[in-house]
Amino acid sequence: AQTVTQSQPEMSVQEAETVTLSCTYDTSESDYYLFWYKQPPSRQMILVIRQEAYKQQNATENRFSVNFQKAAKSFSLKISDSQLGDAAMYFCAYRSLYSGAGSYQLTFGKGTKLSVIP
Amino acid sequence: GAVVSQHPSRVICKSGTSVKIECRSLDFQATTMFWYRQFPKQSLMLMATSNEGSKATYEQGVEKDKFLINHASLTLSTLTVTSAHPEDSSFYICSARDDRVANTGELFFGEGSRLTVL
Repeated sequence: AQTVTQSQPEMSVQEAETVTLSCTYDTSESDYYLFWYKQPPSRQMILVIRQEAYKQQNATENRFSVNFQKAAKSFSLKISDSQLGDAAMYFCAYRSLYSGAGSYQLTFGKGTKLSVIP
Repeated sequence: GAVVSQHPSRVICKSGTSVKIECRSLDFQATTMFWYRQFPKQSLMLMATSNEGSKATYEQGVEKDKFLINHASLTLSTLTVTSAHPEDSSFYICSARDDRVANTGELFFGEGSRLTVL
C-alpha cells in the first residue's frame, strides 16, 4: 500500500516571500500521479498542481511549482510571492496509474497548515 | 471546470436517526465517486468507492450497514448514515472522477457536509 508523509504540520511565511512544503511517499509502482490540494477554511478541496511520474519536468502553475525527485520519492511544493489567500491546509496526494480495483483513489498525507503573515 | 455539489452542507440530527448526504456531479458524468471522512485538523480518510450500477467498495474498518452508499445514476451518489450516534459526527466529503478526463487522474471535490449528531 502506498503512504504519503507530510512532515511539517504547520508552516508560516511572510507575505510576498517563498515557502516550500515537503512531501514524501512510498510506493513500489513506477507510474503514478502526485497532487497538491489546498483546503481553505471553507473546506472546499481545490487542486493546486498535478505531476505525472513519467514526466521528468517539474510541473508549474503560476506561483506554484513542484520539485519532483522520483528516485528519492519526494514531491515538494514551492509557493512564490505568497499571498494572504494562500493560507490554508495543503495536502499532498498520491494516485496509482494502475487501472484495477481501487484505481483512482487518492491517498492523502496528513496535511500542512500554512499561515501567511501580512 | 467540473463542479461537484454536495448537500446538505450542514446537518444536525438526533441520535438514532438516519441522515442522507447527496453528491452530484453538475456538468459531467461520474461512473466513480468517492466518500471521505475528515476529523478536525486531520486528513481525509477514504471510506468507500461508489460505482454507478454496482455495490460500493468499502475500506477496511468502515461499517457497510452503517454507511449506506447508493450510486443510482451517473451524476448522483448518496451516503446515508444510519442510526447515527455522536461518534459519527464528522465532516464528510465526496469526490468524483470525470469520465471524460479519467486519465488525468484528477478528482473533483464537493464542498463537504458537516454532520453533528446530538
